[in-house]
Amino acid sequence: DVVMTQSPLSLPVTLGQPASISCRSSQSLVYSDGNTNLSWFHQRPGQSPRRLIYKVSNRDSGVPDRFSGSGSGTDFTLKISRVEAEDVGVYYCMQPTQWPYTFGQGTKLEIK
Amino acid sequence: QVQLVQSGAEVKTPGASVRLSCKASGYSITHYYIHWVRQAPGEGLEWMGVIHPSDGRTNYAQKLQGRITVTTDTSTSTVYMELSSLRSEDTAVYYCARDGCEYWGQGTLVTVSS
Repeated sequence: DVVMTQSPLSLPVTLGQPASISCRSSQSLVYSDGNTNLSWFHQRPGQSPRRLIYKVSNRDSGVPDRFSGSGSGTDFTLKISRVEAEDVGVYYCMQPTQWPYTFGQGTKLEIK
Repeated sequence: QVQLVQSGAEVKTPGASVRLSCKASGYSITHYYIHWVRQAPGEGLEWMGVIHPSDGRTNYAQKLQGRITVTTDTSTSTVYMELSSLRSEDTAVYYCARDGCEYWGQGTLVTVSS
C-alpha cells in the first residue's frame, strides 16, 4: 500500500497569513497515462470531506483561488495564500492512483 | 446535480452485521466506481473498498477481507455495503463516495456497543 505522510499535523495560523501543508507518498503517484494523481480534501467537524484539489493542482468547482496545489512524484504541497476563518478544519491528502486509496493522517488547521 | 444519499444511523451489538445503503442520483450509476470510506471518532479517513456498478467488480481493503461485501442494485441506483462480525473498533461514520471522491454521501454513523 502507498503510505501518505503529512506534515505538520497541527497548523495554527493567523487570519490573513499564508499556510502550507506537505504530503509525501511512499511511492511515485505518476499513473500509467503519465498524469500524477494526488487529491486534497478539507473536512469541517460533523461534515463530509470536500475535495479541493485533484491531479495535484486542479481546483474543484467553487474552490477559492487562494487554494493551490503543487508537487510531483512523491512530494506535494497544499498552499492557502491568505487564511480565512472558514478554512479551519482538517486537511487530508489522498492518492487515487492505485487501490487501496490511502489518505494522509490529516492536518488540523486552527486560527491563532 | 450529483447526489449520494446514505441510509440512517445504526446501533449494533458486537458480532452482528450491518448493511448500509448509498443511493446515487444525477448521473448514471453504471459509469463510475463507488468507494466506501470510514472515519472512527476523532480519527482520519480509511478506505474500505470499491465497486463498479456496471459489472459488480469489487476490491476490498485487506484488513476487511472476509467481513465486507459491497453490492449494487442498478435498478434503484443504490450501492450497499455490508460489514459482518462487528467489533467496537468498527464504530465510525461510514461514507460512500463517487470515483475520485469529488462527491460524497452525508455519512452514516454506525455504533457497535453491547
